[in-house]
Amino acid sequence: QQPVQSPQAVILREGEDAVINCSSSKALYSVHWYRQKHGEAPVFLMILLKGGEQKGHDKISASFNEKKQQSSLYLTASQLSYSGTYFCGTVGSGNTPLVFGKGTRLSVIA
Amino acid sequence: GAGVSQSPSNKVTEKGKDVELRCDPISGHTALYWYRQSLGQGLEFLIYFQGNSAPDKSGLPSDRFSAERTGGSVSTLTIQRTQQEDSAVYLCASSTNRAGETQYFGPGTRLLVL
Repeated sequence: QQPVQSPQAVILREGEDAVINCSSSKALYSVHWYRQKHGEAPVFLMILLKGGEQKGHDKISASFNEKKQQSSLYLTASQLSYSGTYFCGTVGSGNTPLVFGKGTRLSVIA
Repeated sequence: GAGVSQSPSNKVTEKGKDVELRCDPISGHTALYWYRQSLGQGLEFLIYFQGNSAPDKSGLPSDRFSAERTGGSVSTLTIQRTQQEDSAVYLCASSTNRAGETQYFGPGTRLLVL
């Protein structure tokens, strides 16, 4: 079951904040966040495991609410280098594969 | 190797021909995925191998698509009788297990079916 991401696209000015949401209709074991720049392979950002944790590094962090089967990615004080398409991937309970949402296209402008 | 490698990097074929795409995962990684990404679209799950378990083929779009993983390492994705709608970037990823570890993506194979 593919997770649903929102918004589909967002444009920010440098220094602004953004939140990208990811939700699933099924119970989740883990949520994975990746960023893909144009013409490149997706690059890992972070994984959140069941347990309602929050993770982060630098100015990018994420939360995982397992009860609501939702995760949010927080980008603060955005930089030009944050531009790209952000994908959330989810793994359900049981032996289910990692499936990705359709992505959120983030553009940071000067 | 240092990372996931895929070959060829680009493939142009004629409609109706068969193609084989290869993925070399990171050594020791037991989990291997194939994804398809059409222009401007998301990552569409195709197939998943985990160790010696039967592969999860639930994402394969039709019986023209098949994949093998020999010796728990190299994987080959085969598309028979290619159609124009098969044109996409095919990405392979590997990890040490399914759920809690980072997936490392290869650079992808760009397939164009004329």
